[in-house]
Amino acid sequence: KAGVTQTPRYLIKTRGQQVTLSCSPISGHRSVSWYQQTPGQGLQFLFEYFSETQRNKGNFPGRFSGRQFSNSRSEMNVSTLELGDSALYLCASSLHGRASSGEQFFGPGTRLTVL
Amino acid sequence: DQQVKQNSPSLSVQEGRISILNCDYTNSMFDYFLWYKKYPAEGPTFLISISSIKDKNEDGRFTVFLNKSAKHLSLHIVPSQPGDSAVYFCAAWSGNQFYFGTGTSLTVIP
Repeated sequence: KAGVTQTPRYLIKTRGQQVTLSCSPISGHRSVSWYQQTPGQGLQFLFEYFSETQRNKGNFPGRFSGRQFSNSRSEMNVSTLELGDSALYLCASSLHGRASSGEQFFGPGTRLTVL
Repeated sequence: DQQVKQNSPSLSVQEGRISILNCDYTNSMFDYFLWYKKYPAEGPTFLISISSIKDKNEDGRFTVFLNKSAKHLSLHIVPSQPGDSAVYFCAAWSGNQFYFGTGTSLTVIP
């Protein structure tokens, strides 16, 4: 079974630009969650999509948005980029998005650098 | 506000000895806890989990202990191997999302 894939793996943008990251979950998984990893903060939850609907949302500004398609692939968009958005963005897929249904499987991440 | 904390950013252990990684949490409503291991340039991979109704769960060389009264969990690796060198994250489930700690970088010295 193929794992979670994320594209692109690396991205360099400048302040004020916008960016779209993509995540393809494991086949059959309906839940996709997005996380931001920075050195001092660890993994911070951004949002979770399940069956094309945003089910949960973390404490991030509205510049961070996402969506999920009918094939469960998900995209995350960040508008008006700031220097502080430089981070590793991880997506994770799971069957149902609930702890009791099993662990999440993470992709390798997209390293975003904002200059 | 960090609801899950790993206060030791790094840990070095001799091969063959025990590695103990610690994690503290503040929310008593967390009911499920997990440990993940992360190698450079890879996403975290699931290691072991424990439900709040248990105080210990074992899987091979890995054991997780949960002390609910102290809001503390720990991961024991015995014996430690060089391949265990990685960053370890603890995570807690709140009912609708996972909260992660900041990670502990474990180095196992051959």
